[in-house]
Amino acid sequence: ETGVTQSPTHLIKTRGQQVTLRCSSQSGHNTVSWYQQALGQGPQFIFQYYREEENGRGNFPPRFSGLQFPNYSSELNVNALELDDSALYLCASSLMAGVSEAFFGQGTRLTVV
Amino acid sequence: DQQVKQNSPSLSVQEGRISILNCDYTNSMFDYFLWYKKYPAEGPTFLISISSIKDKNEDGRFTVFLNKSAKHLSLHIVPSQPGDSAVYFCAASAWNTGNQFYFGTGTSLTVIP
Repeated sequence: ETGVTQSPTHLIKTRGQQVTLRCSSQSGHNTVSWYQQALGQGPQFIFQYYREEENGRGNFPPRFSGLQFPNYSSELNVNALELDDSALYLCASSLMAGVSEAFFGQGTRLTVV
Repeated sequence: DQQVKQNSPSLSVQEGRISILNCDYTNSMFDYFLWYKKYPAEGPTFLISISSIKDKNEDGRFTVFLNKSAKHLSLHIVPSQPGDSAVYFCAASAWNTGNQFYFGTGTSLTVIP
């Protein structure tokens, strides 16, 4: 059984650019959530995907978008990057059958300069 | 608006003693609570959870207590070990938000040998 893996681990982008982050879910999990963790803060919910459809969204602008694929892997896309987008982006997978713990990947550290 | 709060940014405890980490929440709809542990350069790792129908849950050295009337939960680690040194996040979810978790800002625990 594989865990949650994210790529890349680190990334530096310029303000105004676009970025795509990737996540492979834990085997058997059909739900993927994305979180943003700024320095000194707890993870903040961005959105969740269940069976390829968005299933909840946090307080993030539309330039944050996502996809989930038939194999339940997922992408987070951020357009028009801003300096405040610099953060650790965490992907978490879980079973949708009832509320259960989420399993996190190691995160992607995004720096916007 | 921070719905889950961890008011102690840091805690130091001697090895072998009890560590008590606290968490408060404001949303009365929260019915599932979790604790995660996070080491530097890693994603959060699930530690223990509790449903609102219980007031206590134990798993080895870790016990979580829930006081619904006070909207307060705590994590007890007994005995504390140096390997427990990490940042601990409290998280909560409501039945109608699926696996969307609201996280606190974390408490950095240092266990002194």
